[in-house]
Amino acid sequence: GIQVEQSPPDLILQEGANSTLRCNFSDSVNNLQWFHQNPWGQLINLFYIPSGTKQNGRLSATTVATERYSLLYISSSQTTDSGVYFCAVVHPYNTDKLIFGTGTRLQVFP
Amino acid sequence: DGGITQSPKYLFRKEGQNVTLSCEQNLNHDAMYWYRQDPGQGLRLIYYSQIVNDFQKGDIAEGYSVSREKKESFPLTVTSAQKNPTAFYLCASQRASRSNTEAFFGQGTRLTVV
Repeated sequence: GIQVEQSPPDLILQEGANSTLRCNFSDSVNNLQWFHQNPWGQLINLFYIPSGTKQNGRLSATTVATERYSLLYISSSQTTDSGVYFCAVVHPYNTDKLIFGTGTRLQVFP
Repeated sequence: DGGITQSPKYLFRKEGQNVTLSCEQNLNHDAMYWYRQDPGQGLRLIYYSQIVNDFQKGDIAEGYSVSREKKESFPLTVTSAQKNPTAFYLCASQRASRSNTEAFFGQGTRLTVV
């Protein structure tokens, strides 16, 4: 099956710093989403981005489907950005399920 | 507000008991999913349903059962056959599973075996 790897696994930042999270996938995908899991466990939708670039405030994402990766950019990080960031994909030959990456745990300190 | 509601938020189960986790959505979505998350890990698919009265096993279905009698509801039963049920359970829905649409998640149920 398709493999989804995220890097780095852990990231520690001081408030105000910028960061880039990466999601690599081993095969073509139909669908790619980025989620933020907050300290209470809730998964919050950040981006639905099977290709191209999107921006939402301090966050932006780019997916280059032909090269099988997606990047999530966080600028001017805040303590509330702390949590785990997951990317999730849907494989074109198995469209029934969202396959999650390994996650990046982000800690932002004041 | 439209969304996905999971209940209860916390659940304690004694050894050998069956428990049922509720998931309700008012988004008019066809597809619904159950995932399990263990501490420090990603999400693994338990069961999913693309339409009422139909559902399929995911990657870790053993010890779990589901039903889909209504479009809005997809309850998950954790049976006594599940050897290690302590985990965080997340329910999701999507407009249609075989389409390029966004999936949304509930707030989760944290199950602990005591």
